[in-house]
Amino acid sequence: AAGVIQSPRHLIKEKRETATLKCYPIPRHDTVYWYQQGPGQDPQFLISFYEKMQSDKGSIPDRFSAQQFSDYHSELNMSSLELGDSALYFCASSREPGATYEQYFGPGTRLTVT
Amino acid sequence: DAKTTQPTSMDCAEGRAANLPCNHSTISGNEYVYWYRQIHSQGPQYIIHGLKNNETNEMASLIITEDRKSSTLILPHATLRDTAVYYCIVRASYSGGGADGLTFGKGTHLIIQP
Repeated sequence: AAGVIQSPRHLIKEKRETATLKCYPIPRHDTVYWYQQGPGQDPQFLISFYEKMQSDKGSIPDRFSAQQFSDYHSELNMSSLELGDSALYFCASSREPGATYEQYFGPGTRLTVT
Repeated sequence: DAKTTQPTSMDCAEGRAANLPCNHSTISGNEYVYWYRQIHSQGPQYIIHGLKNNETNEMASLIITEDRKSSTLILPHATLRDTAVYYCIVRASYSGGGADGLTFGKGTHLIIQP
């Protein structure tokens, strides 16, 4: 079965640079979520989109922005990168929003800021 | 969303049933209980979820107490590949609002012993 696709899988950037992470949801899933997992920490919710509109917002820094496109893929844009942004970034998708629909996670993008 | 409490770690012998408890004493009537697991920096994997009734799928069984204040995830025949961090998450039902993100707690590190 098709899964959530994330690209790139690994990314190395320097401080103050910009990074763009991409997420391709499972086919026919219109809801996308972004999570950040720092070293030794549990995943933290950043932001979500439903039908191309921002839906819920978690602990996303102002330096980060995201959007969902007409084909339902999503991009997370990160500017003025800091060392503390080094983390695993997971994208998840669900068929629809709400607790009756489980979220399926992608393999993640490992971002290293040097 | 209601908070959850899980043991920090548990051991289980390979081939035996692994029973992972979770307390969610402040759960409200419209909140689901979800279980995810994360195997060493991979994307969290959906296991099972339920509202009131016990649920079973190909991976596990979920037993929810009648008062819904606690639940147990059962892996019937644990294998070494089941070694992972298991997260119990309470999630409110969709109420016309947004696609709410999951709130991951500390989880239980389950170690399957050969």
